[in-house]
Amino acid sequence: KNEVEQSPQNLTAQEGEFITINCSYSVGISALHWLQQHPGGGIVSLFMLSSGKKKHGRLIATINIQEKHSSLHITASHPRDSAVYICAVPRREYGNKLVFGAGTILRVKS
Amino acid sequence: DVKVTQSSRYLVKRTGEKVFLECVQDMDHENMFWYRQDPGLGLRLIYFSYDVKMKEKGDIPEGYSVSREKKERFSLILESASTNQTSMYLCASNHRFLEKLFFGSGTQLSVL
Repeated sequence: KNEVEQSPQNLTAQEGEFITINCSYSVGISALHWLQQHPGGGIVSLFMLSSGKKKHGRLIATINIQEKHSSLHITASHPRDSAVYICAVPRREYGNKLVFGAGTILRVKS
Repeated sequence: DVKVTQSSRYLVKRTGEKVFLECVQDMDHENMFWYRQDPGLGLRLIYFSYDVKMKEKGDIPEGYSVSREKKERFSLILESASTNQTSMYLCASNHRFLEKLFFGSGTQLSVL
């Protein structure tokens, strides 16, 4: 079993829809990262959170440490949100270097 | 803003060639990382460095080596490129392991 599991793998939405991407992990962590990768582009860090909820514009990230689960929500989705969304957690026994989920490919249609 | 610059966006090499991928960061970060990204596998750590001249193997170091002679520069070397090293290579850096990671724009390497 992968240490970090994301769902869904692929997601297609209509512009304006509310989107949720999920991330489950099997190891104890101190923080979880959400990253965004646009087609052909580099990766941008969206959030790093260790508890509760964080919001940036139309993006909201939540985490439940006890359930080892995090969600990334996008409100009022737009075609420019089309990207790969990746969650990552630090692996404590490996010096806190990150282990990554396989990513969720999001396509928002106009 | 932190900038992590990778020297090439696209690179095409032949099997057996020695390949150098360069990465430079401008924020005095201690940690630098090389990842490769393949469809369905996510990012996998090849090597990382936590200081000048210091390096440690990641999950998939076979066929690769690295060099960090200056704090701002971290080079990935493919000693003898093979077709299974065709991939997207991403460099990243941060101050400390639990802090936000900054990525370069990636190098898409094709080995023919």
